[in-house]
Amino acid sequence: KQEVTQIPAALSVPEGENLVLNCSFTDSAIYNLQWFRQDPGKGLTSLLLIQSSQREQTSGRLNASLDKSSGRSTLYIAASQPGDSATYLCAVIGGANNLFFGTGTRLTVIP
Amino acid sequence: GAGVSQSPRYKVAKRGQDVALRCDPISGHVSLFWYQQALGQGPEFLTYFQNEAQLDKSGLPSDRFFAERPEGSVSTLKIQRTQQEDSAVYLCASSLGTGGADTQYFGPGTRLTVL
Repeated sequence: KQEVTQIPAALSVPEGENLVLNCSFTDSAIYNLQWFRQDPGKGLTSLLLIQSSQREQTSGRLNASLDKSSGRSTLYIAASQPGDSATYLCAVIGGANNLFFGTGTRLTVIP
Repeated sequence: GAGVSQSPRYKVAKRGQDVALRCDPISGHVSLFWYQQALGQGPEFLTYFQNEAQLDKSGLPSDRFFAERPEGSVSTLKIQRTQQEDSAVYLCASSLGTGGADTQYFGPGTRLTVL
């Protein structure tokens, strides 16, 4: 069964800092990898989707990379803002269509 | 356009009661997923529908859990004889197609508390 791990579990940074969130997965046979954001009491918002044939995707201040062979992905957030405070979840899709999620990284950006 | 909606947003049930959770996917989306998210954990897959067909129910934790999507749009997740360990947020997601490349769009979830 696919296992997805996210490190660190929680992270606090001062506003303006650049930061990296890490995700690793055990089975490299994936179709894609998605990064989501979850705010308290709300559903998940998709941030970036990387196809298995791609190595990275960028959206605004966010950049996600994928190294399928080593089972790793990183989410880079540039110039962090207090509004970036949320839980960030990494998820992969393998042979079935369902997503396998990590436990998330809870990010706090301090003004 | 409208996103995925779920109702109720919050449900409190006494142990042993039956509950029904509703999901309205984005119009025209073929695929529909249910996930269970325990406190402090990532969501875990429960079941998957392609139109009205339930193609995968491998994640349902017991036979007390039942899901349906009779007309290929709205879906209902039913939990019979609720137990305290069923307390969680139940998330519904839909995607346009059937492939692994499609983005899944999530609803706000239903928070179920079993007393």
